[in-house]
Amino acid sequence: QSVLTQPPSASGTPGQRVTISCSGSSSNIGTNTVNWYQQLPRRAPKLLIYSNNQRPSGVPDRFSGSKSGASASLAISGLQSEDEADYYCATWDDSLNGPLFGGGTKLTVL
Amino acid sequence: QVQLQESGPGLVKPSQTLSLTCTVSGGSINSGGYYWNWIRQHPGKGPEWIGYIYYSGSTYYNPSLKSRVTMSVDTSKNQFSLKLSSVTAADTAVYHCARDPWGTYAFDIWGQGTMVTVSS
Repeated sequence: QSVLTQPPSASGTPGQRVTISCSGSSSNIGTNTVNWYQQLPRRAPKLLIYSNNQRPSGVPDRFSGSKSGASASLAISGLQSEDEADYYCATWDDSLNGPLFGGGTKLTVL
Repeated sequence: QVQLQESGPGLVKPSQTLSLTCTVSGGSINSGGYYWNWIRQHPGKGPEWIGYIYYSGSTYYNPSLKSRVTMSVDTSKNQFSLKLSSVTAADTAVYHCARDPWGTYAFDIWGQGTMVTVSS
């Protein structure tokens, strides 16, 4: 069981907007910034969002991040079939003194 | 563009030391400001951060693994390395090297990963 809680699965149809949540605590998300990663099957994770809501160069603006209190969310608008992947949130944890990843959410495009 | 590539044995016996190397291409490991990390992923699980090394040789390890981890850097070869001692089956995972450009534990470039199995 990860310290950062994500729903194990999410789904949507092409063109739809989906959100993936990441729930933490005051020792991690509550006081630190959140990053999001996309992992396509058999590939390395790819940085999707950093510092809560910043997109690295090349990441489409269909992807957006937000944070409120001890929770964070990743939103994907205009869902496409190639968005089918595992998504992980990550942040620093003040108690563990290290960065943590969530357990991941498997997104299925129906 | 910068690329990372892991190399090392895919099979390690229990109680022995796991040794992996990450080769950086398309850029210099000496470029200041970058932190070079090792991250592993157990099958079907989220990634687990192992630690980082700076080009100067300074390191910071995951407290839960600290007693077994050693990282080193060879700037002449543009490589950095991981040693994990006293391995058990619980250390079986895909091991990735990754770059953190800001020192904020956001990893913008990853190696493809190498599967390491601990088994006799």
